[in-house]
Amino acid sequence: DSGVTQTPKHLITATGQRVTLRCSPRSGDLSVYWYQQSLDQGLQFLIHYYNGEERAKGNILERFSAQQFPDLHSELNLSSLELGDSALYFCASSFIAGALDEQFFGPGTRLTVL
Amino acid sequence: DAKTTQPPSMDCAEGRAANLPCNHSTISGNEYVYWYRQIHSQGPQYIIHGLKNNETNEMASLIITEDRKSSTLILPHATLRDTAVYYCIVRGGAQKLVFGQGTRLTINP
Repeated sequence: DSGVTQTPKHLITATGQRVTLRCSPRSGDLSVYWYQQSLDQGLQFLIHYYNGEERAKGNILERFSAQQFPDLHSELNLSSLELGDSALYFCASSFIAGALDEQFFGPGTRLTVL
Repeated sequence: DAKTTQPPSMDCAEGRAANLPCNHSTISGNEYVYWYRQIHSQGPQYIIHGLKNNETNEMASLIITEDRKSSTLILPHATLRDTAVYYCIVRGGAQKLVFGQGTRLTINP
């Protein structure tokens, strides 16, 4: 158990819908990262937040957005969903935001878009 | 961040040492080598990291060549629970992790 929690575990929805994935980092961790793992693209970095502020963006679509709240939990919002958005979404956390930080990953949310 | 090359798959017998190679010939002086693994569809798990010296922890050992162009992750006594995809990642100033295709390691009884 990494100490990072993600809800829900599974999500099934239809194309065009909007969903919110939630992540609670390990106690004391200030950084939250989101990654997407699909069959064809592998594990890809989406976005990084540190203490409520966006720090870096990766291959995140404009239909996707994220935020980190004052209590440090984070939400990833996915809208106008397409079949290709079906994937595992992982959240990771680390204490600060340095390159040497070990990232602890949550169990993931499996999103299925029908 | 430098690119890495790993064999797509490897097999190892239970109880033997598993040696997973990684090439990172374009690594620069301030970039670290990290290893993560992903068991089935669980979240990736940190294993070890190093800059130029060999490193060892309770999970594994990391051997980095003197020219730093390649490294080997060693699981000294592999168990069935070590069956996973192992990712070698070279990391410099960016906080993000850039995952390649990794090596699918299968531990056989």
